[in-house]
Amino acid sequence: AQKITQTQPGMFVQEKEAVTLDCTYDTSDQSYGLFWYKQPSSGEMIFLIYQGSYDEQNATEGRYSLNFQKARKSANLVISASQLGDSAMYFCAMRESYGNNRLAFGKGNQVVVIP
Amino acid sequence: GAVVSQHPSRVICKSGTSVKIECRSLDFQATTMFWYRQFPKQSLMLMATSNEGSKATYEQGVEKDKFLINHASLTLSTLTVTSAHPEDSSFYICSAREGMSNQPQHFGDGTRLSIL
Repeated sequence: AQKITQTQPGMFVQEKEAVTLDCTYDTSDQSYGLFWYKQPSSGEMIFLIYQGSYDEQNATEGRYSLNFQKARKSANLVISASQLGDSAMYFCAMRESYGNNRLAFGKGNQVVVIP
Repeated sequence: GAVVSQHPSRVICKSGTSVKIECRSLDFQATTMFWYRQFPKQSLMLMATSNEGSKATYEQGVEKDKFLINHASLTLSTLTVTSAHPEDSSFYICSAREGMSNQPQHFGDGTRLSIL
């Protein structure tokens, strides 16, 4: 079975500092995709960044970057220069190879940015 | 960018009422849409996968007669919670994917359902 693990407790981050959110995954597939989503308290799910298993470079999108270590099966999200609006739950997800390529989500990381 | 609209955003109704939630992809066609349920402080739980023009695929433990899904067009899927009871109160959120499987799922804003 495929699985996403996010085990960090809630995190407090100082504004303007960087924060790393851990995500490890388990799959026997050779081809897979990893996604990070942000969910603020209002509830919507906002797509942040995508990493394909065959991508040789780590994905980056503005202040978001993904530290992809394939051998260790980890896909950590790095948020640089944290802003107050970054306070939210962050979910790591993996595209499954069956079931219409649905997503399997981790349990999420709570981030609170403090001024 | 891809936009998914979900309506209504909030529903409060009496026990026994049936509630319909709509999920629309506004600027792209989605052959596949997904319906999730989320309890407070928990992750998203996939309920069913909705395919345009065919029956939905339900996850284990999800009652298909309780949660009716219709994917009538490439831009619209509906979830109907039939004869809702207080235990059905939850946050329901849909998503749609445009094109290839390496594309992200884009989510609606969710529906907070409260059954009294």
